[in-house]
Amino acid sequence: EPEVTQTPSHQVTQMGQEVILRCVPISNHLYFYWYRQILGQKVEFLVSFYNNEISEKSEIFDDQFSVERPDGSNFTLKIRSTKLEDSAMYFCASGYKNTEAFFGQGTRLTVV
Amino acid sequence: GEDVEQSLFLSVREGDSSVINCTYTDSSSTYLYWYKQEPGAGLQLLTYIFSNMDMKQDQRLTVLLNKKDKHLSLRIADTQTGDSAIYFCAEITGKLIFGQGTTLQVKP
Repeated sequence: EPEVTQTPSHQVTQMGQEVILRCVPISNHLYFYWYRQILGQKVEFLVSFYNNEISEKSEIFDDQFSVERPDGSNFTLKIRSTKLEDSAMYFCASGYKNTEAFFGQGTRLTVV
Repeated sequence: GEDVEQSLFLSVREGDSSVINCTYTDSSSTYLYWYKQEPGAGLQLLTYIFSNMDMKQDQRLTVLLNKKDKHLSLRIADTQTGDSAIYFCAEITGKLIFGQGTTLQVKP
């Protein structure tokens, strides 16, 4: 069964460093998303991406965040200068329609 | 604004039925979802219901939707220890808005 895959499963980085979280969505999907879950809190929407551009972003998704679909198969989330409060589980999701979202296993980001 | 609320914890005995409840605010949501998250794992889509339906059954899972009260529930029949997880309801309004999750504990 096709699935969304995310790498790495766990990333530890120093405060101020840049990180890139990678995702391979399901191959025929058209809608792509990033969500995050800070430990013990709700899953929060970050950004949606369709037709090679951002379709919606939340207040969390400020200038330090960016997304890219560089080669038609990968979908990346870059955090330019990480802060301690960026520590969270980051989930990528994709859907063929904008009414569905299939999630990856997540990348646990720890900023030290 | 958009908001989804769930109770935080439910404990049942193996073999009993579990009912997890959820309320949401946005009446324009077209679909409502239930996701399951096991410890250290991602979000697994369990089931969903279209907003013009009242009920959907899928094997041991029954979803009930009361659109007037904006109330959604998930019933798990014959709950097993493998059902222990966090269950999230979510509404979609262009993006998914999640509840805070209900931890289901199944005692043998």
